[in-house]
Amino acid sequence: LAKTTQPISMDSYEGQEVNITCSHNNIATNDYITWYQQFPSQGPRFIIQGYKTKVTNEVASLFIPADRKSSTLSLPRVSLSDTAVYYCLVGSLSGGYQKVTFGTGTKLQVIP
Amino acid sequence: ETGVTQTPRHLVMGMTNKKSLKCEQHLGHNAMYWYKQSAKKPLELMFVYSLEERVENNSVPSRFSPECPNSSHLFLHLHTLQPEDSALYLCASSQTSARGGYNEQFFGPGTRLTVL
Repeated sequence: LAKTTQPISMDSYEGQEVNITCSHNNIATNDYITWYQQFPSQGPRFIIQGYKTKVTNEVASLFIPADRKSSTLSLPRVSLSDTAVYYCLVGSLSGGYQKVTFGTGTKLQVIP
Repeated sequence: ETGVTQTPRHLVMGMTNKKSLKCEQHLGHNAMYWYKQSAKKPLELMFVYSLEERVENNSVPSRFSPECPNSSHLFLHLHTLQPEDSALYLCASSQTSARGGYNEQFFGPGTRLTVL
């Protein structure tokens, strides 16, 4: 399973754009890159997923360079409610089910 | 109820007790997962059931025993646990597919387990 490395923590002021980078040097050809958000004492929640280039949805953008060895989650204009742990995962369907490894995540603290 | 539900939300048990955690998904998925999240540690995948068959067991001690009676329900039976087993236990579900790619996992709120 591809291992991911991301910063342990980040601070940001409200209204700023936050970029969290994840490195995954041994990503496999079939692997997708997925980001989850987790609030304390809750299960993780899917944010965004991509394979290459750029993906955007209503809450975030995901930038993936051509070599796919890293990815950047971009959160536009964060608010206090975006304070959470953000996990970067790489993985794919294996035998029909997801086989992924959660890393330690990045704890984002949004400051008023 | 929608999504993935887990009961109980909190559980305190002694080392000699037997208890069970329950997970139910209302999403029509056919794969279910148990994860363990200890303080300041990454989520650890414990078990995976795909099409009601256990397909993954990540070297979990036998004091944890999963059961998947159907595609909507998943149990984790607990017996003679240790204090270090205290953690947040999370259930998730997803839809399997014969094609490649990745299908989003939907997580429940978890059961906070404390072993005395």
